[in-house]
Amino acid sequence: DIQMTQSPSSLSASVGDRVTITCRASQSIYNYLNWYQQKPGKAPEVLIYAASKLQTGVPSRFSGSGSGTDFTLTISSLQPEDFATYYCQQSYRSPYSFGQGTKMEIK
Amino acid sequence: QVTLRESGPALAKPTQTLTLTCTFSGFSFSTSGVCVSWVRQPPGKSLEWLALIDWDDGKYYSTSLKTRLTISKDTSKNQVVLTMTNMDPVDTATYYCARHRYRSGCQEFDYWGQGTLVTVSS
Repeated sequence: DIQMTQSPSSLSASVGDRVTITCRASQSIYNYLNWYQQKPGKAPEVLIYAASKLQTGVPSRFSGSGSGTDFTLTISSLQPEDFATYYCQQSYRSPYSFGQGTKMEIK
Repeated sequence: QVTLRESGPALAKPTQTLTLTCTFSGFSFSTSGVCVSWVRQPPGKSLEWLALIDWDDGKYYSTSLKTRLTISKDTSKNQVVLTMTNMDPVDTATYYCARHRYRSGCQEFDYWGQGTLVTVSS
């Protein structure tokens, strides 16, 4: 099975900050990496798919990069609505594993 | 538009078998490239992928749970059913069904249900 490791597990930041979350796969997953945002009590929503493609309707302050085993999600200027939990997920092969999540909190 | 909705018991007893149903609209298993998964999330914890079924009746399971899970579909009813045997309190979680976007395989989850909380307790 492919293990997905995210860091950090939590992040305290201010509105306007640039933040980066990292996700590492235990083996190469090429670009089969997706990022989701989840707010309390809600289902996750896809932000970035195929490592770097922005989902329709997602603000351009979100971006993704990486390939192989190392990936990043960057938010260029944090907005109040971005305080949530973020998950990476590999769709290279079953079982389709998730990272453990990064909780973004207001500083 | 695409919608998914999970249904099933809110409470299960240890050792019981849980049956959850995902009823969807806006797409059909009669179309090639349709994939639906179940994902769960214990309170305050991360997401865990459980099982996937595709339009061709391909079935895939979590390695750690595969002996306890069965996924099936009813194309005429637009439903996906997940059964989990031998329920335990650690299985307490919100259970989601979600559709994959298809690109040379089942890829990212583009639509999710709202989730159903299942509590396992005697």
